[in-house]
Amino acid sequence: EDQVTQSPEALRLQEGESSSLNCSYTVSGLRGLFWYRQDPGKGPEFLFTLYSAGEEKEKERLKATLTKKESFLHITAPKPEDSATYLCAVYSGSARQLTFGSGTQLTVLP
Amino acid sequence: DAGVTQSPTHLIKTRGQQVTLRCSPISGHKSVSWYQQVLGQGPQFIFQYYEKEERGRGNFPDRFSARQFPNYSSELNVNALLLGDSALYLCASSLKGTPENIQYFGAGTRLSVL
Repeated sequence: EDQVTQSPEALRLQEGESSSLNCSYTVSGLRGLFWYRQDPGKGPEFLFTLYSAGEEKEKERLKATLTKKESFLHITAPKPEDSATYLCAVYSGSARQLTFGSGTQLTVLP
Repeated sequence: DAGVTQSPTHLIKTRGQQVTLRCSPISGHKSVSWYQQVLGQGPQFIFQYYEKEERGRGNFPDRFSARQFPNYSSELNVNALLLGDSALYLCASSLKGTPENIQYFGAGTRLSVL
């Protein structure tokens, strides 16, 4: 059974204070790892997809990296508008479904 | 371009009732997936449909059913509602049903069972 664990559960940062969110996974045959952002009362918004260890992707202040056991979402000089819940999900060949972690609730204080 | 649209936005039902939720995918997308999200948790997979056929089913009871229509829109039905069915129900669409295709989510339907 695929498992995804995200840490920390919640993170409070001052504006401009860089940090990283962690996503650890246990799957049989990773086909893809996805990062989403979810604002309160809304559906998840796609950020990145990573397919193989060593892959990295960037978008504005966000950078996602992937190893064989975990992924990191690095946030550089965050702004209050980056406050949201960040969800990690994996798609494995065995489960043939998207399995989500419980998310990290990020709050960036001005 | 319109994204994934879901209706209704909110719904209140009582225990034992039945509910139907609707989803229209992004134009050109042929795959629709349904998820249940309980407060404080990540979305949990319920069903995936591609080209009107069921491609995957999560660990949910038979009270949950779905279908996809020729125009690729989809309905999720839940019978004999329980208090524990209260959640945000999310629909996601993708070009195909393969992992290489990104799933784009709608805003969801908030279901409250009293």
